[in-house]
Formats: sequence, C-alpha cells, structure tokens
Amino acid sequence: DVKVTQSSRYLVKRTGEKVFLECVQDMDHENMFWYRQDPGLGLRLIYFSYDVKMKEKGDIPEGYSVSREKKERFSLILESASTNQTSMYLCASSWPGYSGNTIYFGEGSWLTVV
Amino acid sequence: QQQVKQSPQSLIVQKGGISIINCAYENTAFDYFPWYQQFPGKGPALLIAIRPDVSEKKEGRFTISFNKSAKQFSLHIMDSQPGDSATYFCAARGVQGAQKLVFGQGTRLTINP
Repeated sequence: DVKVTQSSRYLVKRTGEKVFLECVQDMDHENMFWYRQDPGLGLRLIYFSYDVKMKEKGDIPEGYSVSREKKERFSLILESASTNQTSMYLCASSWPGYSGNTIYFGEGSWLTVV
Repeated sequence: QQQVKQSPQSLIVQKGGISIINCAYENTAFDYFPWYQQFPGKGPALLIAIRPDVSEKKEGRFTISFNKSAKQFSLHIMDSQPGDSATYFCAARGVQGAQKLVFGQGTRLTINP
C-alpha cells in the first residue's frame, strides 16, 4: 500500500513563528503536492513538485514556501505564521504522466495559529 | 475562482436510499474526473473516476454519470449505508502539466440508520 506520512498531526503555533510541515512518501513518486482544506472551500493547491528541487506554485502560494531535497520528502514552510493560516494541510503524491491518475493523500496536519 | 462547483454542501439520506452529489466544471480542457471520499480524521481517498469519453462508470454501489455537453458530472450512491457517511469531493484534472487536481467544495453526507 502507498503510504504518505505527515509527521505532525496537530500543531499549535504562535503568530509570527516559522512552521515546518513534513511529508514523506514511500512509493518513489515523482509528484508531490501540498493542499489546504477549509470548510466550504474544498481542497486548494498550495505548491507542487514534479522532481527533486523542482517546485511550482499552485492556486494559493502566498505566505508559503516548499522544499524538496530528496525525492521522498516534501516540506511546507510557513515563514511567519498568521491566524488566517489556521487550517488542515494535506500532503499528497502520485506517479507522473497519465499513468499517475491516482493521487494519494496523507492523513493531514491540523495547524492552529494563535 | 472555483473551477469546479459542487452541490449540495450537505446531504442527509435514509439508509437504503440513493445519494446524489453534483459537480459542474468550466474548463473544457479537463480530461479526468475523480471522486474522493474522506472520513473524519483521515485524508481523502480515491473512490471512483471517469474520463470524458464515457457517459457512465459503475463500481459496486457507486456510479459516476458524466454529461460532457453540459459540463456536469455526478456521483450516485445506491442503497446508501451508514458506513458511507463521509465527506465527498469531486475533482478535475487538465490535459497539460503535472497531475494537478482542482477540487470541488465538498459534500458532507450523512446516512441515517
């Protein structure tokens, strides 16, 4: 089974703190994604990466950055956390190309910024 | 700008009934339409998916109906069971670029026993 692991399930951070959300996948997938899930808004793409050290902005990249130094690991960084970044963050991965239709999600990281 | 619009936001169905969730999209370049199911405390998991060259796909009690001309697709859950209670997301993917999915707003489905 594909496993996408988000190491931190629940975090409480203060406004202005730097926050790291870590994600590891064990299926050698090229593609990795960070989504944000909010009630009534569905899942919105923050950043994605299709190879090591490669990244592209999604629909809501403002206030976030990412790092992919190794193929299996994709980190989301909040440089200076703000209360409007309180949300659930979902990491996902997939194979490239049309054979990679299935995107596999982790269980989510609940972030509260106070 | 929501490229995929999903309705209703919440739905309550009696056990044994049919649950229907609808989605509409605007981008004609979308070529793949999956549905994801999410239980509380879990990440979304792929439930069923369809390509626009077919009008219907059925897997067990779950059916996707696809209307390319209307740019709409829907999920039907036959003989709905309490274990189907979850949040459902429709999504769409374009033909270009990486495997990015655009998601609908989600529907919280409750099946009453």
